[in-house]
Amino acid sequence: QVQLVQSGAEVKNPGASVKLSCKASGDTFTRNLIHWVRQAPGQGPEWLGFITPSGGGGINKYRFQGRVTVTRDTSTSTVYMELSSLISEDTAIYYCARENGVGNFDYWGQGALVTVSS
Amino acid sequence: QPVVTQEPSLSVSPGGTVTFTCGLSSGSVSANNYPSWYQQTPGQAPRALIYSTNTRSSGVPDRFSGSILGNRAALTISGAQADDEADYHCMLHWGSDTWVFGGGTKLTVL
Repeated sequence: QVQLVQSGAEVKNPGASVKLSCKASGDTFTRNLIHWVRQAPGQGPEWLGFITPSGGGGINKYRFQGRVTVTRDTSTSTVYMELSSLISEDTAIYYCARENGVGNFDYWGQGALVTVSS
Repeated sequence: QPVVTQEPSLSVSPGGTVTFTCGLSSGSVSANNYPSWYQQTPGQAPRALIYSTNTRSSGVPDRFSGSILGNRAALTISGAQADDEADYHCMLHWGSDTWVFGGGTKLTVL
């Protein structure tokens, strides 16, 4: 059974960093790309970046150049996303999602609310 | 980054057919953009419906279909049902490794 289990909600001050985790079950970690997508209140989703089974990947350089890092820990089948230099507009629900077919994000984590506030 | 455009809202009668479209501010959408479509209800994560233009994700009924219409990607729902009322998001592939979402279309079934 495919499961993506994310870490919990975070509250951060402006200028801080946040690191979220996403633990993948089964062979998802070794077979599928894992993406990070966020959704601010009342807004559409926004893609942040991804990591491949071999540890490669990419980020949304148009919006997050230098602020987003996606990494993984093979010993625990966990993917991480770190967002730095937080501003209030980074307040959103952050999801990880599995890609199974080009553009088919078919399984999603439960989401983690990140609140940026002083 | 490129801007993906969608209708802000659409409505359909139960049993009717509705088509959503998805365009690019910088030009035409083609199969090379691997258009995908997601359905989202309040408080839930997006659910994959269509990917790579016209492939249904697992478990999606065949009344959902995808295509390219002119210079835009399209999602068509045939035989609309009350529980199709949701937000529908388009996602396009751009450049070598970037995905971009549209702002979404709110569907009302009435």
